[in-house]
Amino acid sequence: DAKTTQPPSMDCAEGRAANLPCNHSTISGNEYVYWYRQIHSQGPQYIIHGLKNNETNEMASLIITEDRKSSTLILPHATLRDTAVYYCIVRVNSGGSNYKLTFGKGTLLTVNP
Amino acid sequence: EAQVTQNPRYLITVTGKKLTVTCSQNMNHEYMSWYRQDPGLGLRQIYYSMNVEVTDKGDVPEGYKVSRKEKRNFPLILESPSPNQTSLYFCASRLAGGQDEQFFGPGTRLTVL
Repeated sequence: DAKTTQPPSMDCAEGRAANLPCNHSTISGNEYVYWYRQIHSQGPQYIIHGLKNNETNEMASLIITEDRKSSTLILPHATLRDTAVYYCIVRVNSGGSNYKLTFGKGTLLTVNP
Repeated sequence: EAQVTQNPRYLITVTGKKLTVTCSQNMNHEYMSWYRQDPGLGLRQIYYSMNVEVTDKGDVPEGYKVSRKEKRNFPLILESPSPNQTSLYFCASRLAGGQDEQFFGPGTRLTVL
């Protein structure tokens, strides 16, 4: 399985951009990078995913390096409600059509007023 | 509203007393899955189902059973709960294609005394 490495915690000022890094140096060519977040023991929430191109949606942007060994999730204008644990996940085909998401420890992002 | 629901949300029980945690989704998703979340261990997959009457083991299936008689429901059964099954449980669903986002339920906090 491709492993991911994230900093355990980060702080961000409200209204500023939050840039969350993730290393996935053993990623294979057909493995996608997913980002989810979990707000205090609620169910994880999907944010964005990508393969090799940068992606943007209404929640965030995902920047993937050309060699695909790392990525950055960008929340352009962080709010207090963005305080959560953010998980960077490499989606692995674990057999048949069971694309498994393995959640590590993630990054606790704290947005400060 | 598209959602995954779980019941009960909180449960305290005693060792050996059979229990069922229900999971239901209203998005016509083929794929459903159960995870447990424990401090320091992240989310671990218990069982998954690719469609009606098709289920398979995840990473930590011991002590659990599941069934998938209808597309919308995927109950988790603990025949003889033990204290090491005290955990936060999440049900999730998605379309079968694999790229799509996974929707998670709100969680069930189970305590086995």
